[in-house]
Amino acid sequence: QVQLQESGPGLVKPSETLSLICTVSGSSLSKYYWSWIRQPPGKGLEWIGYIYYTGGAQYNPSLESRVTISVDMSKNQFSLKVTSVTAADTALYYCARMHCSNNSCFDYYWGQGTLVSVSS
Amino acid sequence: EIVLTQSPGTLSLSPGERATLSCRASQSVHTNYLAWYQQKPGQAPRVLIYGASTRATGIPDRFSGSGSGTDFTLTITRLEPEDFAVYYCQQYSTTPRTFGQGTRVEVK
Repeated sequence: QVQLQESGPGLVKPSETLSLICTVSGSSLSKYYWSWIRQPPGKGLEWIGYIYYTGGAQYNPSLESRVTISVDMSKNQFSLKVTSVTAADTALYYCARMHCSNNSCFDYYWGQGTLVSVSS
Repeated sequence: EIVLTQSPGTLSLSPGERATLSCRASQSVHTNYLAWYQQKPGQAPRVLIYGASTRATGIPDRFSGSGSGTDFTLTITRLEPEDFAVYYCQQYSTTPRTFGQGTRVEVK
């Protein structure tokens, strides 16, 4: 079955770069869209962006200047980088494989999430 | 950006009762690209419904979705103990994808 696992530092200092990796098993990256979503503690969900396996990406305009999503086909992984982080970036970060139906795509398979705290 | 507003914020019901959750969009959701997710404490969200009314694989038929345009509804016909959770709607019609703020279904 499709499994996704987020990994990366649990603590990042303000103004530094948050870097996370999503390792995918049970599915090739090919032919799918892959996304990142985050959830601040006790709050709702915020869509960060998605990438197609060929590398084309779309980002939330509220984060676009600080976010990069990329794919590594050789490792069957995709990654998230958020620069210049602040306390507002503290959240549970989820990666997901999207399912496409009728020409649009939504988040179907989710990882369990990884908590990233921004603090000095 | 399409803003989704869910109501009520909290729904207090007993097992066996019917739950009706609302999701209203600030503008029309093209082709009903609207999904519902369930999230239990400590777990990732799980998709229940997509395309406003299509159940995802393995989702029991007590869950149903309806609506179009700007008004959508998730109905749980008879609440089971495992259904008490937070429910989110999401539109995937436009970028950025947006989520509602969630409705908590709690035990009365």
